[in-house]
Amino acid sequence: GAGVSQSPSNKVTEKGKDVELRCDPISGHTALYWYRQSLGQGLEFLIYFQGNSAPDKSGLPSDRFSAERTGGSVSTLTIQRTQQEDSAVYLCASSDRAGTGFGYTFGSGTRLTVV
Amino acid sequence: GESVGLHLPTLSVQEGDNSIINCAYSNSASDYFIWYKQESGKGPQFIIDIRSNMDKRQGQRVTVLLNKTVKHLSLQIAATQPGDSAVYFCAEIHSGTYKYIFGTGTRLKVLA
Repeated sequence: GAGVSQSPSNKVTEKGKDVELRCDPISGHTALYWYRQSLGQGLEFLIYFQGNSAPDKSGLPSDRFSAERTGGSVSTLTIQRTQQEDSAVYLCASSDRAGTGFGYTFGSGTRLTVV
Repeated sequence: GESVGLHLPTLSVQEGDNSIINCAYSNSASDYFIWYKQESGKGPQFIIDIRSNMDKRQGQRVTVLLNKTVKHLSLQIAATQPGDSAVYFCAEIHSGTYKYIFGTGTRLKVLA
């Protein structure tokens, strides 16, 4: 597509429920990133995909968080047994290639509220 | 939508004045830098970039200055307009890595 598309744009869920957040990157972009942005905070790195592989999962906060990417395209971030501290904006970004000289294109994010 | 970064440093400028937003970056090995703009309810948007072999780069109404000696990056916006109101982030990366490091952001408020 023309840009990075994320869905849903807003999600309200009850504590303890599972949620899935979707990211559709720019067509042909091999690198895909998930970030989390909490109120008053900067961008917190979660996970990096190169193709379908995730060489860096170091930012995932706990084992309740997982992500996958299929067909070198769409990625899904899953949060199990959501907690109130999971409330944040989850941003996805993609890049033609990873590294110097290749900036990210961000989606508009999914605002997750856990009640 | 709800604003992000309610506790971020804030710069308030009069419409028509020039704005200067500063960023101290962390890694002396970083060799590429980007400024992003994030409006309320939207994802960060690329504004301008600069490589470490440059100390200044100009775009349309924006200029980025890089001082590697003190690891400092600044974004200058000329003739600031209401549409410039947003949170601005700097990001750094160095060769051989794949992950940008983002600054915490500065909120720019343009006063009419």
